[in-house]
Amino acid sequence: GAVVSQHPSRVICKSGTSVKIECRSLDFQATTMFWYRQFPKKSLMLMATSNEGSKATYEQGVEKDKFLINHASLTLSTLTVTSAHPEDSSFYICSAPGTGGAETEAFFGQGTRLTVV
Amino acid sequence: DAKTTQPTSMDCAEGRAANLPCNHSTISGNEYVYWYRQIHSQGPQYIIHGLKNNETNEMASLIITEDRKSSTLILPHATLRDTAVYYCIVRGGNNAGNMLTFGGGTRLMVKP
Repeated sequence: GAVVSQHPSRVICKSGTSVKIECRSLDFQATTMFWYRQFPKKSLMLMATSNEGSKATYEQGVEKDKFLINHASLTLSTLTVTSAHPEDSSFYICSAPGTGGAETEAFFGQGTRLTVV
Repeated sequence: DAKTTQPTSMDCAEGRAANLPCNHSTISGNEYVYWYRQIHSQGPQYIIHGLKNNETNEMASLIITEDRKSSTLILPHATLRDTAVYYCIVRGGNNAGNMLTFGGGTRLMVKP
């Protein structure tokens, strides 16, 4: 089946630095990808929708300048956490919808555990 | 997308069937019922989905009531590795099948 690969799986960075997370669709093209954030023992919260060839759409309350999204190609979306702070520590997950719309499943990356120290 | 309601947690004995309920009373006619699960510190894993008819695959069975207002995910012989959070999601309609909106899910604990 289709696979979404997310990298890195875990990263530790210092406060004030930026971290880039990559999300790739390995055997299919994704004009849209989704970025979620998950706090411990909580559900996934949609942060933004990444659109190939256009600007990302952010959910209410998500800072565009802090969470930069670039959908560089039909198989790659990146999320950059800029000027990271300890409160940005979280589990970040990307997803790409199947090509069949609501009739086919969406695929998720393995997630990235970000720890800001 | 329509909202779903699931019990917060459930226990199941290893080797027994796990039946996870989900209410989606406001589901629209063109919305699918999807089930995903998330094992700790991993991305969600697709399990099964259906529109009207019951569905079965190698992982589970999905039973959807005739009025489509509720469904049940059945893991026929639960193992310890099935311990996870299970999410019931309604998807489709005006959302054009794109994003998945996650509720609280059910934390299933399979016990020896």
